[in-house]
Amino acid sequence: EGQLVQSGKEVRKPGESLKISCKASGYRFFSNWIAWVRQMPGEGLEWMGIIYPVDSDTRYSPSFQGQVTISVDKSTDTAYLEWSSLKAADTAMYYCARTYCDNFGCYRAFDMWGQGTQVIVSP
Amino acid sequence: EIVLTQSPGTLSLSPGERATLSCRASQSVSSSNLAWYQQKPAQAPRLLIYAASRRAAGIPARFSGSGSGTDFTLTISRLEPEDFALYYCQQYGGSPLTFGGGTRVEL
Repeated sequence: EGQLVQSGKEVRKPGESLKISCKASGYRFFSNWIAWVRQMPGEGLEWMGIIYPVDSDTRYSPSFQGQVTISVDKSTDTAYLEWSSLKAADTAMYYCARTYCDNFGCYRAFDMWGQGTQVIVSP
Repeated sequence: EIVLTQSPGTLSLSPGERATLSCRASQSVSSSNLAWYQQKPAQAPRLLIYAASRRAAGIPARFSGSGSGTDFTLTISRLEPEDFALYYCQQYGGSPLTFGGGTRVEL
């Protein structure tokens, strides 16, 4: 069945950099796109971007373009979400998620989610 | 960007009752590329429905999705105690992918 396991809670100061991870196991990593989704405290879900592990083709939401970098390491079946300079407004839970495939094709709906990484940015 | 508006914001029901949740898109969602998720406190979302009406693997038959174009519905035929949660719709027919604001189903 497989799973996505994310790195643990992070506490940082504004202006610091951060890279969080999402390690896939139990399925063929190259078969599905991996997305990142933000959930701010008490709020809904926001799609940040998506990456195809085969060739690192990456698409960003306009809201997050230039604010974060999504990448993969094919040798370890791991996806990453990175900030170069955090802001207090980046405080949120971040989820990675895998696109869903059935017998008829693949869809940008997400059937497998990581457990979430809480990021707190505070002076 | 396709904006998804979910209604009602909160649905107050009892176990055994039928729940009908609405998701309206600001423009037509191509090829019915719409999904529904359930989220419980301190948990990641769970995919229920994709392609507007197809149940994801392992999802009970009491969950069903319908609709096309700009109007979509998630129906829970008879609420079980574990169904009280937040529900989100998501479109993937246009870029960026977008989520609705959510409907809370409460006791």
